[in-house]
Amino acid sequence: GENVEQHPSTLSVQEGDSAVIKCTYSDSASNYFPWYKQELGKGPQLIIDIRSNVGEKKDQRIAVTLNKTAKHFSLHITETQPEDSAVYFCAENSGYSTLTFGKGTMLLVSP
Amino acid sequence: ETGVTQTPRHLVMGMTNKKSLKCEQHLGHNAMYWYKQSAKKPLELMFVYSLEERVENNSVPSRFSPECPNSSHLFLHLHTLQPEDSALYLCASSHSPGLGSGANVLTFGVGSMLTVL
Repeated sequence: GENVEQHPSTLSVQEGDSAVIKCTYSDSASNYFPWYKQELGKGPQLIIDIRSNVGEKKDQRIAVTLNKTAKHFSLHITETQPEDSAVYFCAENSGYSTLTFGKGTMLLVSP
Repeated sequence: ETGVTQTPRHLVMGMTNKKSLKCEQHLGHNAMYWYKQSAKKPLELMFVYSLEERVENNSVPSRFSPECPNSSHLFLHLHTLQPEDSALYLCASSHSPGLGSGANVLTFGVGSMLTVL
């Protein structure tokens, strides 16, 4: 990977609302796109990932979409809950390289 | 616990001290990583060891010295650090890069918060 831009840097939502975090990348060889969640006092943990041969993947309240033509991918969280509050990182790589991470998005879900 | 254990959790040191950070994994992985996490910056990859050989070193200053005695243990030796080195140092492990789909999945420890005075 080369460069990953992540937006927004902070996101505040009310409980029950949806949250969307977007990332863009520049390396056309990128084929793996994970999302990590980092709670306070903990290390990042993988929550969902997608490979370049699919456009969307869902796991309960979270989903990731990928647009390879536009070189962007997004994390969608529906029916947000206070325990979703954390810092979320997108990342990408091209299989034989190490992951390149975005700067992170601090998500705050208010009750 | 994620299976990756880091010690110490917190470390305060002066610029002339020598200290070490330790990481241990019990996941059967054969690649280990050191990342630096500073506020409002992407995670910065410092070193990668795969099968106990250093395979990546991202222009890290020589005051940081890694050591990987076996596939389960990783150290980061610190000496004559600067205040700007204060950060959270994260250890991670995975299957070896390039060896199948599981190679991309990193398991992180909770980190060692370093403060350099």
